[in-house]
Amino acid sequence: SSELTQDPAVSVALGQTVRITCQGDSLRSYYASWYQQKPGQAPVLVIYGKNNRPSGIPDRFSGSSSGNTASLTITGAQAEDEADYYCNSRDSSGNRYVFGTGTKVTVL
Amino acid sequence: EVQLVESGGGLVKPGGSLRLSCAASGFTFSSYSMNWVRQAPGKGLEWVSSISSSSSYIYYADSVKGRFTISRDNAKNSLYLQMNSLRAEDTAVYYCARGTVTTDSDSFDIWGQGTMVTVSS
Repeated sequence: SSELTQDPAVSVALGQTVRITCQGDSLRSYYASWYQQKPGQAPVLVIYGKNNRPSGIPDRFSGSSSGNTASLTITGAQAEDEADYYCNSRDSSGNRYVFGTGTKVTVL
Repeated sequence: EVQLVESGGGLVKPGGSLRLSCAASGFTFSSYSMNWVRQAPGKGLEWVSSISSSSSYIYYADSVKGRFTISRDNAKNSLYLQMNSLRAEDTAVYYCARGTVTTDSDSFDIWGQGTMVTVSS
């Protein structure tokens, strides 16, 4: 299967920690990248590779991977972290890409 | 400033054609693979197509294969998506995104603001 499955929605109290997961067979071979998308805006890369953050992304964002599951953790969630989050990786063929189904994060 | 700017979206009838463009600036365009990603209204992201830096490798999602053609002009720092035989389900915001490869992964590190394509009679 070349699908990446995410929980549709999660909520987190301000300042607390939330983990978003992404499951798929291709994750056994490829690391996921993670994208944050706020309403009406283009996606922004927040995590890539084993656990790398692009310049400008706060260190409260971190990534991990085990077996067929990749995870994005926000430690000390802030109000501005409320957004949709998508994982992405190459598919099982290695030539194409697949996005996860997306997770809406609400900061309470 | 590293930037991608899409253009060419609009309203088109089912079965019609449209050509999207993406103008790149602020980086060496010819050194990067490029991608098109779309998002239907209220839906998630869907990868559409990729093209390598020298156009040697081109891949499409099954949903657009045979109807869409990706291309690039490195001399003009531009990426294109020719869309033919358009269907209602192709209605979406289309983003161009730069592909970046590191030692352990690849990702889409720069995105344009998107251009809306609406397929409707």
